[in-house]
Amino acid sequence: GDSVTQMEGPVTLSEEAFLTINCTYTATGYPSLFWYVQYPGEGLQLLLKATKADDKGSNKGFEATYRKETTSFHLEKGSVQVSDSAVYFCALSVTGNQFYFGTGTSLTVIP
Amino acid sequence: NAGVTQTPKFRILKIGQSMTLQCTQDMNHNYMYWYRQDPGMGLKLIYYSVGAGITDKGEVPNGYNVSRSTTEDFPLRLELAAPSQTSVYFCASSYAGTANSPLHFGNGTRLTVT
Repeated sequence: GDSVTQMEGPVTLSEEAFLTINCTYTATGYPSLFWYVQYPGEGLQLLLKATKADDKGSNKGFEATYRKETTSFHLEKGSVQVSDSAVYFCALSVTGNQFYFGTGTSLTVIP
Repeated sequence: NAGVTQTPKFRILKIGQSMTLQCTQDMNHNYMYWYRQDPGMGLKLIYYSVGAGITDKGEVPNGYNVSRSTTEDFPLRLELAAPSQTSVYFCASSYAGTANSPLHFGNGTRLTVT
């Protein structure tokens, strides 16, 4: 079946450090891939997406590239800020009726 | 610009009680979803709806019921609350229900069953 596996946390980084959160997927068809972010006490918000192989999604300095050959969609940011502290979820959807989420990775950025 | 609104924010139930979690969206989205979020488990789909009058089961529907009488509202009903239903519940909607149409989430309802 369809599923997403993402790097376990928590992750703690100093401000301006480089961030990578790994995400790999298994899908029966041709999925669209997403990264969502959840700030404390809030619902999930779409951070970025990619709908086909080799697409790069980007937003707010975050980037992720859809790699079909490695079935991966790793999230990266060159220089994190305290305001990036949140939980990050990788997700996929093949049909649109169902979205499959990873378990979430908690990021804390310290000044 | 409210988006997806969920009520209540918090609730404590005793075992065997019932309650309805409310969800409404003002974006005229056809697709609506209910997820539960358990620690370390990610989000699991409970039920979804592709339009008014149409609902379908997700991964974990047991113990829950839903209805969709209007485009805007998608309430989730717990009939006989059990401790296993202690979780954070999120309602979401999307415009097209296609794989590249992202989900818009409410802020969640934290439910504790004791």
